[in-house]
Amino acid sequence: EVQLVQSGAEVKKPGESLKISCKGSGYSFTSYWIGWVRQMPGKGLEWMGIIYPGDSETRYSPSFQGQVTMSADKSISTAYLQWNSLKASDTAMYYCARVSSGWHYFENWGQGTLVTVSS
Amino acid sequence: DIVLTQSPGTLSLSPGERATLSCRASQSVSSSYLAWYQQKPGQAPRLLIYGASYRATGIPDRFFGSGSGTDFTLTISRLEPEDFAVYYCQQYGSSPYAFGQGTKLEIK
Repeated sequence: EVQLVQSGAEVKKPGESLKISCKGSGYSFTSYWIGWVRQMPGKGLEWMGIIYPGDSETRYSPSFQGQVTMSADKSISTAYLQWNSLKASDTAMYYCARVSSGWHYFENWGQGTLVTVSS
Repeated sequence: DIVLTQSPGTLSLSPGERATLSCRASQSVSSSYLAWYQQKPGQAPRLLIYGASYRATGIPDRFFGSGSGTDFTLTISRLEPEDFAVYYCQQYGSSPYAFGQGTKLEIK
């Protein structure tokens, strides 16, 4: 069974750094793209970008390019989403999701990580 | 970038009725690379439809996707109580693979 398990909720202050994780299991982690999706409180889904753990190739949405960094450690089947300097507007639920083989829709989703940024 | 516009924003119907949700793209979506997701409160989204019309594994046949080019539709033939949720379309033919803003399907 494919599973994506995300790290727990975080509460941070503006300007702090953060790295959240998404651990894949039940499939070949290096053979499928992993994506990240933001959902701000009470709002819709926003496509942030995708990473291919096999070679760490990334594709960012222009809206998120330079704002976050996606990475992966294939030795532990884990993808990461990182911020260097958080803002209050980064407060949101963040989902990781496995991309379908051959296409780029999201076939399996993690449970989400809630990030709260507040002074 | 392709922008997806979903309508209506909110749809109020009763169990047993038929729901029709629309997703319109600002440019043609190549090869009908259009997916639909369902999201219930407090839950992660769930894939319903890919390739505009193919049901994902385990999705009941009351969910029907159709359309091509710039106009796509998700039809739920007979609403069950568990179908009341928010529905999103997503195009994955041209990066960035954006979502629509969502349609909330609520009980009338």
